[in-house]
Amino acid sequence: AQTVTQSQPEMSVQEAETVTLSCTYDTSESDYYLFWYKQPPSRQMILVIRQEAYKQQNATENRFSVNFQKAAKSFSLKISDSQLGDAAMYFCAYRSADKLIFGTGTRLQVFP
Amino acid sequence: GAGVSQTPSNKVTEKGKYVELRCDPISGHTALYWYRQSLGQGPEFLIYFQGTGAADDSGLPNDRFFAVRPEGSVSTLKIQRTERGDSAVYLCASSSMAGTGIYEQYFGPGTRLTVT
Repeated sequence: AQTVTQSQPEMSVQEAETVTLSCTYDTSESDYYLFWYKQPPSRQMILVIRQEAYKQQNATENRFSVNFQKAAKSFSLKISDSQLGDAAMYFCAYRSADKLIFGTGTRLQVFP
Repeated sequence: GAGVSQTPSNKVTEKGKYVELRCDPISGHTALYWYRQSLGQGPEFLIYFQGTGAADDSGLPNDRFFAVRPEGSVSTLKIQRTERGDSAVYLCASSSMAGTGIYEQYFGPGTRLTVT
């Protein structure tokens, strides 16, 4: 069975600085998809960035980028120029067919 | 609709009671998913519908949980004889595609269920 591990329960960053959130996963499949979701206090999961496992190029969405290391089964999220609005829970997720498998999340605090 | 909606936003019920949680997916989305998020955890998959049929219900914890989607749009998650351990946020998501592909699942705001 696939598993997703987020080893950082909490992280903090100063506004305008850069922070990296870690995620590792375990799978025997070769074709899959990886996601980072943001969950603010409103509870609604918001997709931040996504990556197809067959693509070697790391995905980038504005201030958000990933470091995808397929052999190491690692998928970290880098947030550049952090903003107060980035404060939230961040979940790493894996999908091969239909269902998403989530990690336990990292709470990100952003200090002014 | 503009997004996935879920009702009620919050539900408090007594142990042993029956509850229904409703999900309205984005119009035209054929796939619908239910997840359960316990306190301090990530969401866990419960069931997935493709159209009217449950394509994968492997995440339902026991036979007290049941979900329907009779017309391929709105879905209802039904929990019988609720237990305190059922307390969680129940999230619904929908997507325009299913199976393999980099498509996005769009989530609703969830229903917080509290069993006293």
